[in-house]
Amino acid sequence: AQSVAQPEDQVNVAEGNPLTVKCTYSVSGNPYLFWYVQYPNRGLQFLLKYITGDNLVKGSYGFEAEFNKSQTSFHLKKPSALVSDSALYFCAVRQGDTGRRALTFGSGTRLQVQP
Amino acid sequence: DTGVSQNPRHKITKRGQNVTFRCDPISEHNRLYWYRQTLGQGPEFLTYFQNEAQLEKSRLLSDRFSAERPKGSFSTLEIQRTEQGDSAMYLCASSADLEETQYFGPGTRLLVL
Repeated sequence: AQSVAQPEDQVNVAEGNPLTVKCTYSVSGNPYLFWYVQYPNRGLQFLLKYITGDNLVKGSYGFEAEFNKSQTSFHLKKPSALVSDSALYFCAVRQGDTGRRALTFGSGTRLQVQP
Repeated sequence: DTGVSQNPRHKITKRGQNVTFRCDPISEHNRLYWYRQTLGQGPEFLTYFQNEAQLEKSRLLSDRFSAERPKGSFSTLEIQRTEQGDSAMYLCASSADLEETQYFGPGTRLLVL
């Protein structure tokens, strides 16, 4: 079975400060990891993914994430937060190197960036 | 717009009625997925197609749920005898061969009264 934990329901940060949204996962074999963002009444927008290679992954809108195999974590980061980054963020995982494609999502973390 | 499209965007129905949703994937994406998202939760996987073949089904997909992708292009998700617990956002996603990223549509919000 595969699972994702996002331990913080909400993260508050001031505009211009760095932000981190935490994600830990459990999966057999090699993990394929993803971050998505969801704005109100909208579908999910893809931000970035880790499949293989460099542990530091850069994605859209200045976001990046670091894959840490020993800590089974894939935290999302941004050096300088914008008010427009306020949204709901989801981490997702699936077992790599298999034919199964189902993503398992965390429960989400609401990011609130204050002006 | 070349993204994933879903229709209708909103559906209100009475308990016991049947509903059908449609998803049009990104052109030339041969993989198509359905997820369900309830308030305050992350999306939960329902089913996955590669072309017209349904390759994965979640245990969440009860006998009242059926999904099809008859020509390997658009897909439909039907819920028979709807229950109030079916109220949720139904999300469709698609991906290309050799591409791991699933791209999501805007979703269909279902409310069962």
